This record gives sequence, C-alpha cells and structure tokens, in this order.
Amino acid sequence: SQTIHQWPATLVQPVGSPLSLECTVEGTSNPNLYWYRQAAGRGLQLLFYSVGIGQISSEVPQNLSASRPQDRQFILSSKKLLLSDSGFYLCAWSENSYEQYFGPGTRLTVT
Amino acid sequence: AQTVTQSQPEMSVQEAETVTLSCTYDTSENNYYLFWYKQPPSRQMILVIRQEAYKQQNATENRFSVNFQKAAKSFSLKISDSQLGDTAMYFCALPYGGSQGNLIFGKGTKLSVKP
Repeated sequence: SQTIHQWPATLVQPVGSPLSLECTVEGTSNPNLYWYRQAAGRGLQLLFYSVGIGQISSEVPQNLSASRPQDRQFILSSKKLLLSDSGFYLCAWSENSYEQYFGPGTRLTVT
Repeated sequence: AQTVTQSQPEMSVQEAETVTLSCTYDTSENNYYLFWYKQPPSRQMILVIRQEAYKQQNATENRFSVNFQKAAKSFSLKISDSQLGDTAMYFCALPYGGSQGNLIFGKGTKLSVKP
C-alpha cells in the first residue's frame, strides 16, 4: 500500500532563515506531487505541483520554491523566510490525476 | 473557471443524528469527479467519498453518502448516525487542470458533533 511521509512535523524558524520541508511517497511510481499551504482557519492553497522528476509548476508567485530530485521525493524550500510564510504545509500525491492523498503536514511558525 | 462554494462555515449536530453539508460548484467540464475531504483536529486531510459525474447513482461509503445534482451543480454530503469522531473540517473539492489533477477546494465547513 502507498504511504506518504512529511518532515519535520513542526518547525519554528526566525525571519530570514532558510527552509527545507521534505515529502516522500512509498508504494507508487511516477506520482503527481503537490504542495499546499493552509493558513489558520482557512482553506487550502495550492503552491506547487509536479508531474515528474525535475518538472515543477507554480500556482502563485511567492517566496518559496519546490524541487523534485527523485521520483517520489518533493522538497519545499525558501532562502529567506517571511512572517507571512507561517502556516500548515501539506504534501499530497495522486496516481490517476483524480483523488489526492495527503501527508500528515508540517506546522511552520516564523518568528 | 472552476469554483467551489461551501456556504456553511460552521454546523453542529447531536451524536447519532444526521447532518447534511452543502457544496455547490461550477465547471465547464462534462465528465469530472467531485470529492469530500475531512480534516480532523490532527489536520491530516482524509478522503471521505468520491463521486463520478457521469454516474447517476449517488456514492455511498458506510455512514457517508452524497446527494449529487449535476444540473444544479450541487454536491452535498450526508453523515448518518453522527459520531464524536466525525468532528472535523469538511472540504468539498473539484479537479481542474486536466492531466495535472489539481484540486480546487471550498473554504470548508466546521462540523461539531455534540454528545
């Protein structure tokens, strides 16, 4: 069966520091991968998606970037965090381009 | 452009009773899927139920069922015999973007099940 992992689970970082969040999927090949951000009490905003290694599409302009160095690995990064980057970050995968399955999420607080 | 609207920010229901969450959407596609996701306090998003637009029969998963009205572009979720563990945010979602399989989510309905 497929599983999706995210780490770290929680992170507190100062403004201006770098960021790296990692997501890995097991039990599937060539999945579509997605990064979402959820602000407190709000819905999900799609940040990036990837249909293959090295293929990254951005939905909104922002301070963040994404990379997919391996088939089942998806990384969310920033060179310098802003206060507005605080939120709950969810990674998801999809096999058939329909339903998506989500990881446990990372709670990021920028201080 | 696709849109998803959930008009009930919060709802509450007594344990063992039935509750219906509303969702309306807009899409230019003829064949598509619709989803309901649940986000409990742990905040992990869990797929609850899926409906294929070309199927007239409403989807059912145990205590969860949908009322899908394609012409009205309505997709409501009914939870029967509500349990305390059903307390969560519920999001309606619609795919867009073709093969990318991107989802657009509604703003969510916060459901509280009271003992």
